[in-house]
This record gives sequence, C-alpha cells and structure tokens, in this order.
Amino acid sequence: AQKITQTQPGMFVQEKEAVTLDCTYDTSDPSYGLFWYKQPSSGEMIFLIYQGSYDQQNATEGRYSLNFQKARKSANLVISASQLGDSAMYFCAMREGTGNTPLVFGKGTRLSVIA
Amino acid sequence: NAGVTQTPKFRILKIGQSMTLQCTQDMNHNYMYWYRQDPGMGLKLIYYSVGAGITDKGEVPNGYNVSRSTTEDFPLRLELAAPSQTSVYFCASSYSRTSGRDEQYFGPGTRLTVT
Repeated sequence: AQKITQTQPGMFVQEKEAVTLDCTYDTSDPSYGLFWYKQPSSGEMIFLIYQGSYDQQNATEGRYSLNFQKARKSANLVISASQLGDSAMYFCAMREGTGNTPLVFGKGTRLSVIA
Repeated sequence: NAGVTQTPKFRILKIGQSMTLQCTQDMNHNYMYWYRQDPGMGLKLIYYSVGAGITDKGEVPNGYNVSRSTTEDFPLRLELAAPSQTSVYFCASSYSRTSGRDEQYFGPGTRLTVT
C-alpha cells in the first residue's frame, strides 16, 4: 500500500486565491512527521512546512499552512493568496519514527497559478 | 555555506558504462541520502547513510553502490548503466537530532540519460 497518496495530479488556481493540495498518509507508527516540498521548474527541492504527529496545533509558515487531521490521516497544504511564483510541483512526504529516518514521498501535485 | 552540491549537472551515458555521481555537503550533517526521480513521479530512496562508514539500502538500490568515507562526501556509483537508470538524481542531507523535525536539504540534482 502507498504510504503517501496525493490524488490531484494537477490543480489550477487564480492569482490571489487560496488553494488546498491534498495528502493522505498511511502508517501504524504513532511517531511520524509530515513534510511538504516545492519543486519549481528549475528542479530544486524547497522545504515548505513540517507537522509532527504529536503537534497540537496546525503548522503555519507565512502563506503556507498545514491542515492536519490525524484521525483521517490527512495533511493537506493550504497556500493562501496564491502568486504566479507558486506554480510548481508540490510533494508531500512522511518520516516514520523518531530520528532521521528517510522520507517517503508522494507522486506530487502540479499547481498552476493563473493571472 | 554552499549547502549540498552535486556534480555533474547533466550526463549522457551509453549502456554498460559506469560513472560516479558526486555529492558534498558543508553543513556537518551526519545523515545523507540519494534519491531518484523518474519523470512525473515522486522521489524514491536509493541509499542513505547515518554517518561516515555506515550506509544502508533504500527502496531501489539495485544497480547502485555508495560509500561514505567522510562526513562531507557521499558518492553514488552506477555500474553497467541501463536505460532504466535514466532519471534525475538528488542528494540530500539532514541533522541527526532525534526529534525527527529536521528537514532534508537537497542538492540541485543530476540529470542522467542512458542510451
């Protein structure tokens, strides 16, 4: 079974609007971390936001927030006030256990921001 | 800090040739990783290392070898290149704290084509 599922291959959003990118995960480990990375057309991987399984509050980083619903095993990324520069691939990833175990990535969602 | 650097940026190999992808980080990170990204897909872990002299296989290790003689360097060796190894290769590193919070820092990637 896939550990990270991103069901939206592509999304469009109007500039200045908010957009939600979906991510569901599968783990039996009570300790885990969830990450979102952005990959622009230039190819580099840019870390956006992190949510730990024991974190009481949803993570926020500037215009990025994570809608963490533990019982549903979902960790959706919300981008507010979309900008043209937000057009990119977005990857959800999970680390199981404590410490620096390797990340498992989803297949990604391509976001296109329209002017 | 240069962060994580990878060489070369691009390479074309003939079937059966060998090569080494170089990866160096200057952040004194203990953990280093190699991923491959096939077109339209997420990243898959090839090998990782938790410190000098220690390496372990990831999800897709066949056809690759690694070594970690220093904290800074983590080269990936391709022996007998095959068309299935055509991909973009990313090296990453992270701290070794036990919280699991630490994000991975990625290099710019190496685009490899095997023909």
